[in-house]
Amino acid sequence: KAGVTQTPRYLIKTRGQQVTLSCSPISGHRSVSWYQQTPGQGLQFLFEYFSETQRNKGNFPGRFSGRQFSNSRSEMNVSTLELGDSALYLCASSPTGTETQYFGPGTRLLVL
Amino acid sequence: QKEVEQNSGPLSVPEGAIASLNCTYSDRGSQSFFWYRQYSGKSPELIMFIYSNGDKEDGRFTAQLNKASQYVSLLIRDSQPSDSATYLCAVLNAGNNRKLIWGLGTSLAVNP
Repeated sequence: KAGVTQTPRYLIKTRGQQVTLSCSPISGHRSVSWYQQTPGQGLQFLFEYFSETQRNKGNFPGRFSGRQFSNSRSEMNVSTLELGDSALYLCASSPTGTETQYFGPGTRLLVL
Repeated sequence: QKEVEQNSGPLSVPEGAIASLNCTYSDRGSQSFFWYRQYSGKSPELIMFIYSNGDKEDGRFTAQLNKASQYVSLLIRDSQPSDSATYLCAVLNAGNNRKLIWGLGTSLAVNP
């Protein structure tokens, strides 16, 4: 089976812009979670989607949003980018009925 | 606030030795525990998970869970330089708002 894929892999944006990141889960996985990873904060949970519904949400401002499509692909959007949004954004998918997460390669976002 | 704590390290061991990585958690109701490995610049990859008290072995890796003391550990036997990475502990919190709580990780260096 193909693994989790994320696009783009690298992104450079300037403050105030917005960005959309995409994630395609492992075939058959309906749960998709998003994380932000920075050296000092570790893995911070953003949100989880299951069957097109947000099932769980972390403690991030409303500038961070996401959605999931009927084919389980997911997107996350960050509006009005700030310098502190520079991070590795990871997507993970899980088989139904388990919490085991399989990560994609991540999107490295740099905000200038 | 539910927490997962790991010693940041670096933990340095000679090649061939046993590396012992520890993780403590605060949510007494937690039931699922995961160990991930993350190489520098890469995304986390699952090593193993454990649900029941006691030991679980998978090749050179052994996870140990002690729910009474609220800790989970990972032993790596016959450590190899290729095991040098950051090891992340994740704990599934109890209750309706189920999500993985992540430790900041322990950096392991295996010296040839």
